[in-house]
Amino acid sequence: AQRVTQPEKLLSVFKGAPVELKCNYSYSGSPELFWYVQYSRQRLQLLLRHISRESIKGFTADLNKGETSFHLKKPFAQEEDSAMYYCALGSGGYQKVTFGTGTKLQVIP
Amino acid sequence: ETGVTQSPTHLIKTRGQQVTLRCSSQSGHNTVSWYQQALGQGPQFIFQYYREEENGRGNFPPRFSGLQFPNYSSELNVNALELDDSALYLCASSLSVSTSTRETQYFGPGTRLLVL
Repeated sequence: AQRVTQPEKLLSVFKGAPVELKCNYSYSGSPELFWYVQYSRQRLQLLLRHISRESIKGFTADLNKGETSFHLKKPFAQEEDSAMYYCALGSGGYQKVTFGTGTKLQVIP
Repeated sequence: ETGVTQSPTHLIKTRGQQVTLRCSSQSGHNTVSWYQQALGQGPQFIFQYYREEENGRGNFPPRFSGLQFPNYSSELNVNALELDDSALYLCASSLSVSTSTRETQYFGPGTRLLVL
């Protein structure tokens, strides 16, 4: 069974501090990992995916198959990063995406 | 903003009733997925439709059903509503059925359903 765990419901950091949002997954096949973000009063949107190996808005995430993790990182938090972040796991065959429970990131000015 | 729209925005029903939620996909997107998001939880996959056929289903009972139409609109129908069906229902459209491609799912704003 697919499972995504985000251990923190809320993460508060000061502006300029590093951010790490944790995500662990459970999946027997080859995983496809995503981070989705939902800003206040906006719809859920894709932030980044592991196959793209890209940095979006200063965020990066590395898939660690040994630790079954896909943590989201940013070296210097900005106030506009405050949002709800969801880690998600795709099974490849079709767009069944399993989401974690989400972590609310609060950047304190 | 994306072109995915959902209606209605809010809905109140009583237990045992039936409800139909609607989604209009982004133009050209032949794949639509529906999710249920309970309060404080992440979205949970209900099912996916591709070219008007159900293409995959999550752990939801048969009273959750759907339809997809040639004009890129779709419906989620829920029969015999239960209190636990109260949630935000999201639809998401994409150009591809597979998460292996670089095609992105675009989410709608959701319909908030309250079952009393």
